[in-house]
Amino acid sequence: DIVMTQSPDSLAVSLGERATINCKSSQNILYSSTNKNYLTWYQHKPGQPPKLLIYWASTRESGVPDRFSGSGSGTDFTLTISSLQAEDVAVYYCQQYYNIPHTFGQGTKLEIK
Amino acid sequence: QVQLVESGGGVVQPGRSLRLSCAASGFSFSNYGMHWVRQAPGKGLEWVAVISYDGSNKYYADSVKGRFTISRDNSKNTLYLQMNSLRAEDTGVFYCAKSFNGGYYSRYDYWGQGTLLTVSS
Repeated sequence: DIVMTQSPDSLAVSLGERATINCKSSQNILYSSTNKNYLTWYQHKPGQPPKLLIYWASTRESGVPDRFSGSGSGTDFTLTISSLQAEDVAVYYCQQYYNIPHTFGQGTKLEIK
Repeated sequence: QVQLVESGGGVVQPGRSLRLSCAASGFSFSNYGMHWVRQAPGKGLEWVAVISYDGSNKYYADSVKGRFTISRDNSKNTLYLQMNSLRAEDTGVFYCAKSFNGGYYSRYDYWGQGTLLTVSS
């Protein structure tokens, strides 16, 4: 199985500041024939279902604010929130869909400093 | 609009069985792969199982293989998860999620609200 490891486990950032969450996969998840990284980022708030933010590692889902961006390739990926808003408080998960089982990172809890 | 509504959760004793359902609407259910994902209390998300658009292919997490069965009834727009030999560690919120396409190598673009399973004596 591909192991997804996020860092940090928790993060406190001031409103308006940048938040950066890292995700590392134990295997390459860039599919050479499509040149796409099979990685998504989800935002999960208490009492709500997870929400898709980013897919193919860097493509923003429709309706997601442009302060959210994804980057990286191969085994190392980053989710960046350029200017933290109060409504961004949540747990963020990366997930690979390159192989079954589709494994998630352990989650990063984002809070306001 | 796309809606996924899970049901069937509850309290069950260890070793017993339960079936979860996920009623889908707002899209052509028979064209899309579907997943079950769970979250144990205080823990992260764990992928459980996937079924292809026509039900011909199914895959499971090792933690549930041999105990859980994913299925679908495309005539009823409903996804199922039959859970047997339940254990305390199966306790959690179970979400159904829609794959972006008919297979399984794709993002999950819609999720249900989840249904809570508690396995306890």
